[in-house]
Amino acid sequence: KQEVTQIPAALSVPEGENLVLNCSFTDSAIYNLQWFRQDPGKGLTSLLLIQSSQREQTSGRLNASLDKSSGRSTLYIAASQPGDSATYLCAAETSGSRLTFGEGTQLTVNP
Amino acid sequence: NAGVTQTPKFQVLKTGQSMTLQCAQDMNHNSMYWYRQDPGMGLRLIYYSASEGTTDKGEVPNGYNVSRLNKREFSLRLESAAPSQTSVYFCASSYDLTYEQYFGPGTRLTVT
Repeated sequence: KQEVTQIPAALSVPEGENLVLNCSFTDSAIYNLQWFRQDPGKGLTSLLLIQSSQREQTSGRLNASLDKSSGRSTLYIAASQPGDSATYLCAAETSGSRLTFGEGTQLTVNP
Repeated sequence: NAGVTQTPKFQVLKTGQSMTLQCAQDMNHNSMYWYRQDPGMGLRLIYYSASEGTTDKGEVPNGYNVSRLNKREFSLRLESAAPSQTSVYFCASSYDLTYEQYFGPGTRLTVT
């Protein structure tokens, strides 16, 4: 059974800092890995999707990498802003169209 | 273009009552999903529909039924609500299986 772990559970940084969020998964037989953002009381917003054949994806200040062999993905946020404060979730898609989610990293960017 | 919409946003039920959560998407997606989100458990897949006319169980299907009414709509029914079903329910859709999933705003359900 796929298990997804995100470390750290919470992170507080000053504005402008570059930061890395970590995601690890136990079963490397994934179709893709997705990163989402969730604001309090809201739904999930898709940030990046990395197919199993890809190594990374970039969108603006966000860069996600994938290393299937080691079961790891990272989300790099450059020049963080207070508006980036949210919970970031990673999810690995395995067979049967099952997205297995981590519990998220709660990010606070302080002005 | 509203994306994925869910109704209601909030609901309180008594144990044993039934209700249906509605979900609709206007992105012409083939696949739709129902998840629940609980503290300490993350999001878990309840049921999904790969395409119109098909439905399959996810990780936690017990106590729920689903209907893929047409390509746009996918409903989740609780026949006899239990306190363990208190949760936030999210509907999602994607162009097809293994494509990027788009989520609705959620329904916060409390069963007393």
